[in-house]
Amino acid sequence: SQQGEEDPQALSIQEGENATMNCSYKTSINNLQWYRQNSGRGLVHLILIRSNEREKHSGRLRVTLDTSKKSSSLLITASRAADTASYFCASWGAQKLVFGQGTRLTINP
Amino acid sequence: EAQVTQNPRYLITVTGKKLTVTCSQNMNHEYMSWYRQDPGLGLRQIYYSMNVEVTDKGDVPEGYKVSRKEKRNFPLILESPSPNQTSLYFCASSLTGAEAFFGQGTRLTVV
Repeated sequence: SQQGEEDPQALSIQEGENATMNCSYKTSINNLQWYRQNSGRGLVHLILIRSNEREKHSGRLRVTLDTSKKSSSLLITASRAADTASYFCASWGAQKLVFGQGTRLTINP
Repeated sequence: EAQVTQNPRYLITVTGKKLTVTCSQNMNHEYMSWYRQDPGLGLRQIYYSMNVEVTDKGDVPEGYKVSRKEKRNFPLILESPSPNQTSLYFCASSLTGAEAFFGQGTRLTVV
């Protein structure tokens, strides 16, 4: 079964707006990761946040982690048309890397 | 260049004809894994391997086999493919507990 659940399943916003995606997980983790997938292509790693971190930034990406609520969020600021993609959270559990269902993000010009 | 290479990228085959999708990584990663991706179902793990000669079932292993005889290679074998195995397949590798690197995917159609 999937470790992570993502919310929303799909998100459509205007270019320049911020996009927020959420992820919940079920078991304890060492770290949580976010990936991006352009249509039909392989996933690309975006950012990793460790369990002892609460927030991490990378360019226009901001990730938060709340281990008490077993949840994480990915914020993309000042969105661009090129950010259109699917975004997945993933975590290591039971010696395997498990992915959420993903959020399909569409940026409208 | 660090990469995970899958072959073939596209494959159309007939029901029952054995096929192998190859996966190779050049990063000396212990962990390798196969996923299938279907519309509305996200990424589902088929098999994974923590190291050479160590493999384990993921969430949807039925109809698939894997082997890990060398650290760099992790082929996915469909001994008797069926139409419900039509899907987009991804191989990934990583150091245990770290970020994963994905191959470009194999789009398989079984008719």
